[in-house]
Amino acid sequence: QSALTQPRSVSGSPGQSVTISCTGASSDVGGFKSVAWYQQHPGKAPELLIYDVNKRPSGVPDRFSGSKSGSTATLTISGLQTEDEAHYFCCSCAATYTLFGGGTKLTVL
Amino acid sequence: QVQLQESGGGVVQPGGSLRLSCSASGFTFSSFGMHWVRQAPGKGLEWVAFIVYDGSKKYYADSVKGRVTISRDNSKNTLFLQMRSLSSEDTAVYYCARFITVLSNAPGHWGQGTLVTVSS
Repeated sequence: QSALTQPRSVSGSPGQSVTISCTGASSDVGGFKSVAWYQQHPGKAPELLIYDVNKRPSGVPDRFSGSKSGSTATLTISGLQTEDEAHYFCCSCAATYTLFGGGTKLTVL
Repeated sequence: QVQLQESGGGVVQPGGSLRLSCSASGFTFSSFGMHWVRQAPGKGLEWVAFIVYDGSKKYYADSVKGRVTISRDNSKNTLFLQMRSLSSEDTAVYYCARFITVLSNAPGHWGQGTLVTVSS
């Protein structure tokens, strides 16, 4: 069970779009539909943004979207806002175990 | 609304034990699977364990298998994590989280966490 691979950091300007990748293997990301994404601000608990690859819980803006191709999942944030500056984590939620990515720090310039 | 409140964290000596609790409200606890996820200071998220809605199946991360037991009391809407043989590597904020839906086991709703510090 190795952590999923995410870029350590990404950045963008307000109004722009950014993508964050999450690379795993056929035994996790590639093999299951249960990929999720989380946002975490400093000192706060994580908040779910996306689950089952591309579903948004109620209350999550449609600026956040998810997709998957093979063993790589992608989170896209469009219309970047200053409050989007946070850490983002992906997750492969398989039937018998759950695996998180190492996290990506998003900086809004 | 869904509310989860962890308790039981604190300072424990290496080799010691600790039992964490997570009190749930605002939903039918007995219908949802539950996770424990931890986060070491300044580090990322690490899944610890999850338990299905009725407690019949439990799954653990390799890093804690054999030292940790997840359990639940559906009559009291409470989730537990019993930890043994603790080391400094177990120092972290421990979060409980509910499956986002009854069919999807992504950790959906999270508590605010309880800090466990393993130190002599």
